Amino acid sequence: SQQGEEDPQALSIQEGENATMNCSYKTSINNLQWYRQNSGRGLVHLILIRSNEREKHSGRLRVTLDTSKKSSSLLITASRAADTASYFCATDPAGRRALTFGSGTRLQVQP
Amino acid sequence: EAGVTQFPSHSVIEKGQTVTLRCDPISGHDNLYWYRRVMGKEIKFLLHFVKESKQDESGMPNNRFLAERTGGTYSTLKVQPAELEDSGVYFCASSQGVGEAFFGQGTRLTVV
Repeated sequence: SQQGEEDPQALSIQEGENATMNCSYKTSINNLQWYRQNSGRGLVHLILIRSNEREKHSGRLRVTLDTSKKSSSLLITASRAADTASYFCATDPAGRRALTFGSGTRLQVQP
Repeated sequence: EAGVTQFPSHSVIEKGQTVTLRCDPISGHDNLYWYRRVMGKEIKFLLHFVKESKQDESGMPNNRFLAERTGGTYSTLKVQPAELEDSGVYFCASSQGVGEAFFGQGTRLTVV
């Protein structure tokens, strides 16, 4: 399996509900980042959490990191139709600057 | 401040032709990365420049791909000759030091 795997692969929810996406990785990391890609557009950086942090908030986003389990979760609260996109976690394995991405979670928020 | 810009945004070429993608990083960013997403799969790393030097090119799929960053500013990624499996979205990103990587809008390459 790939470094930085997200689950579920696809998620469909109603507007106003919360969406939770999970990410697992294999190697030691310096930090973990979450990105969003709207259909056909570029990657937008959402949030970065460092390996010595356990939780971080940014607006409606909440990210957790458990380095003992090599996993992270992204929670989007009070989802909106505009949150519809693919979400990727990306890690930078220790000793390497380049990011390793997973295959992403496709989130569909129904209005 | 201008972000990472990529050109063209979309390119359609025939199998066997050559295509050159360009990336202008954020001014002052020494690190420049190329990634691609093929057929809706995961985003894969291609290579990493630090200024004009190739720091890591372990992700380059084969010798049909050539990346350059002359002068340590913008970078080009040339595919010659293009094959059908090269179709996908090519992303460029830049960063300064170990900071956040900023991505461009990507170039959607379609090989027919």
